[in-house]
Amino acid sequence: QIQLVQSGPEVKKPGESVKISCKASGYTFTQAGMQWLKQAQGKSLKWMGWINTNTGKTTYAADFTGRFVFSLETSASTAYLQITNLKNEDMATYFCARWGFAYWGQGTLVTVSS
Amino acid sequence: DIVMTQSPSSLAVSAGETVTINCKSSQSLFGSVRQKNYLAWYQQKPGQSPKLLIYLASTRESGVPDRFIGSGSGTDFTLTISSVQAEDLANYYCQQYYDTPDTFGAGTKLELK
Repeated sequence: QIQLVQSGPEVKKPGESVKISCKASGYTFTQAGMQWLKQAQGKSLKWMGWINTNTGKTTYAADFTGRFVFSLETSASTAYLQITNLKNEDMATYFCARWGFAYWGQGTLVTVSS
Repeated sequence: DIVMTQSPSSLAVSAGETVTINCKSSQSLFGSVRQKNYLAWYQQKPGQSPKLLIYLASTRESGVPDRFIGSGSGTDFTLTISSVQAEDLANYYCQQYYDTPDTFGAGTKLELK
């Protein structure tokens, strides 16, 4: 069955970086793009963008340019989200979701605290 | 960006009731090529990832009970849950994927009366 398994919770200080993984299984990784979404505590979902898992081409929403990077390790069927120079407002749960949104990772909580 | 306005923000219901959640988009979500509305509904329970219920405004995702019904077209959409069950208590979100960036409504919290 199709599964997306994300890496565990992270606690970081402002200014640090974090890299979240999303490992896919149960399907051919390169046949469906991977989306990334942010959900702050008690808030709705924000679409961050997506990565074409076949070509590596990335598309970022306007609010997620500059410090946010999507990448792939195709041989490991894994997508990554890296956030650099973390700010307090980056504190949230981050989800990966396969193109079409029928399959989601379990979410990764990123806590930013000095 | 397309703005999605969801109402109500919360709803208290008793088991067995029928509930309606509304979602209005700031522009039409109807695609003339496929003649479809690019709107989805999700259910999210605390501590879980969102679950896709409805896509293309009215198509139920595989495995979703038929008490969940999506309707509407253009800019006005509705999720109806008939005969609400305790397991339906959750947050519900609408999403447009007609245009990039995808955008979501603020959510509707379904609570027990």
